[in-house]
Amino acid sequence: AQTVTQSQPEMSVQEAETVTLSCTYDTSESDYYLFWYKQPPSRQMILVIRQEAYKQQNATENRFSVNFQKAAKSFSLKISDSQLGDAAMYFCAYRRADGNKLVFGAGTILRVKS
Amino acid sequence: EPEVTQTPSHQVTQMGQEVILRCVPISNHLYFYWYRQILGQKVEFLVSFYNNEISEKSEIFDDQFSVERPDGSNFTLKIRSTKLEDSAMYFCASSEPPGLGSPLHFGNGTRLTVT
Repeated sequence: AQTVTQSQPEMSVQEAETVTLSCTYDTSESDYYLFWYKQPPSRQMILVIRQEAYKQQNATENRFSVNFQKAAKSFSLKISDSQLGDAAMYFCAYRRADGNKLVFGAGTILRVKS
Repeated sequence: EPEVTQTPSHQVTQMGQEVILRCVPISNHLYFYWYRQILGQKVEFLVSFYNNEISEKSEIFDDQFSVERPDGSNFTLKIRSTKLEDSAMYFCASSEPPGLGSPLHFGNGTRLTVT
């Protein structure tokens, strides 16, 4: 079974600084998708960024980028120029290419200090 | 931007009662999901639904749970006889075909409290 591990229960970053959230996963599949979702205090799950495993190029969405290391099964999220509105729980998630379900990590609480 | 909407936002029920959680997926999506998040814990998959049938379900999704698409817009999750441990946030999601890497779009969730 696939598993997703987020080893940092909580992280803090100063406003305007950069922070990296870690995620590792375990799978025997070669084709899959990886996602980062953000859950602010409102509890809504918001897609931050997506990565296709067959693509070597790291995905980027404005201030958010990933470092995808397929051999190491690592998928970290970098947030540049952190803003107060980035404060949230961040979940890493995995889905098989031919699958339906997302497997989530335990989440990392990100606190942004002004 | 189109959204997944869930009602109610908060439901309180007594143990043993039936509850129905409602969701309106994004209109052109054909794949629907329910997830649950017990307070302070990870988000867990319950069930996926496509073409009017369950395509995958987890071990959590036992005989007490059922899903239905009663009309062209709603997607519901029914819990027949609620237990205290069913208290959680329930998220509905929808997507385009998952094989294309389509992300799930989540609703705001329904907080279910079983007393």
